[in-house]
Amino acid sequence: GNSVTQMEGPVTLSEEAFLTINCTYTATGYPSLFWYVQYPGEGLQLLLKATKADDKGSNKGFEATYRKETTSFHLEKGSVQVSDSAVYFCALSSSGNTGKLIFGQGTTLQVKP
Amino acid sequence: GAGVSQSPSNKVTEKGKDVELRCDPISGHTALYWYRQSLGQGLEFLIYFQGNSAPDKSGLPSDRFSAERTGGSVSTLTIQRTQQEDSAVYLCASSLGIGTIPYEQYFGPGTRLTVT
Repeated sequence: GNSVTQMEGPVTLSEEAFLTINCTYTATGYPSLFWYVQYPGEGLQLLLKATKADDKGSNKGFEATYRKETTSFHLEKGSVQVSDSAVYFCALSSSGNTGKLIFGQGTTLQVKP
Repeated sequence: GAGVSQSPSNKVTEKGKDVELRCDPISGHTALYWYRQSLGQGLEFLIYFQGNSAPDKSGLPSDRFSAERTGGSVSTLTIQRTQQEDSAVYLCASSLGIGTIPYEQYFGPGTRLTVT
């Protein structure tokens, strides 16, 4: 079945450091890939998405590229801020299906000033 | 416009009691999803509605769990004879529907259920 694996946290970085959160997936067909973010005390929000191979999703300085050859969708940001502290979830949704999201376990990011 | 709303925000119940959780999706969204977020299991899919029909119930963990949706809008998730392992945050999401490419799902704030 479809599944998502993301690196375990927590990840602790200093402000302005480079961020990478690894995500790999297993899926049949051609899924769409997502990164969701959950800030403290808030609900899940879509951060970025990519719907086909080699697409790059980007938002708020975050980027992720859909790599079919490595079945990966790693999240990157060049310079993190304290306000980026949150839990990040990688997810996939298979096209032509119900659209349901399959999530990774989540990675907690803490950015220190 | 208004986002997805859920009620109650918190629910504490005794083991063995029934609970009902409510979700109000974004107006015009035909697809509605329930997910559960727990420490041990992470974020897991429960059930999907398209209109009032539930073509995918594959994530419901047992027959104590059921859900319905009326008028293509409000949905209720019911848990009968609650157990301590049902303690979790129950999230509802809605989207415009299903297309060739999945539409963005908008999540509600969740209902935190604690079974004592």
